[in-house]
Amino acid sequence: DGGITQSPKYLFRKEGQNVTLSCEQNLNHDAMYWYRQDPGQGLRLIYYSQIVNDFQKGDIAEGYSVSREKKESFPLTVTSAQKNPTAFYLCASRLGEVGYNEQFFGPGTRLTVL
Amino acid sequence: RKEVEQDPGPFNVPEGATVAFNCTYSNSASQSFFWYRQDCRKEPKLLMSVYSSGNEDGRFTAQLNRASQYISLLIRDSKLSDSATYLCVVLVVGGGNKLTFGTGTQLKVEL
Repeated sequence: DGGITQSPKYLFRKEGQNVTLSCEQNLNHDAMYWYRQDPGQGLRLIYYSQIVNDFQKGDIAEGYSVSREKKESFPLTVTSAQKNPTAFYLCASRLGEVGYNEQFFGPGTRLTVL
Repeated sequence: RKEVEQDPGPFNVPEGATVAFNCTYSNSASQSFFWYRQDCRKEPKLLMSVYSSGNEDGRFTAQLNRASQYISLLIRDSKLSDSATYLCVVLVVGGGNKLTFGTGTQLKVEL
């Protein structure tokens, strides 16, 4: 089945550790996005990539890093520099640039920093 | 001022009721508008796009007023399964087709 997968579903991390969240899509989508969602807040854009080997900072990129070495994959690393990393992280993908195409979301990863 | 504002709710309504959600946006250059539905602890899913002429999909009607920068969603004959958070989403003009999300309005449909 085509779709977006994120792993793990739940992740616990000790303070001071880096952790990488996985996002894979087999929809042949060009663009991929990472958002975080906190209680009572809307989704906020962390990073996005419109094409392989290229990515742009979103509104809250500090403390995060990404890579886009393959079209299907857009992993997000939450570094120890991110002050409040506990959140629900959502990955999304979209077909292409021309016109508007729906963003499809993965099931998300809940990260808790202990 | 937030770019996209919604009443957080919760809206507690009986089954069969009609409920209306409102949303305002601040960027007059916003190009496209959407309602997403998010179930508890799940990912958002597109409910419907919002067109200037208004559009309907079954029990759901969406309207856009560009002059007032106002978007609405009307749900008729609400079902228990409509219980969710409804996110107002705006496409900001510019590279990357970035979406701006409201905080969502929570709907609880009760027997």
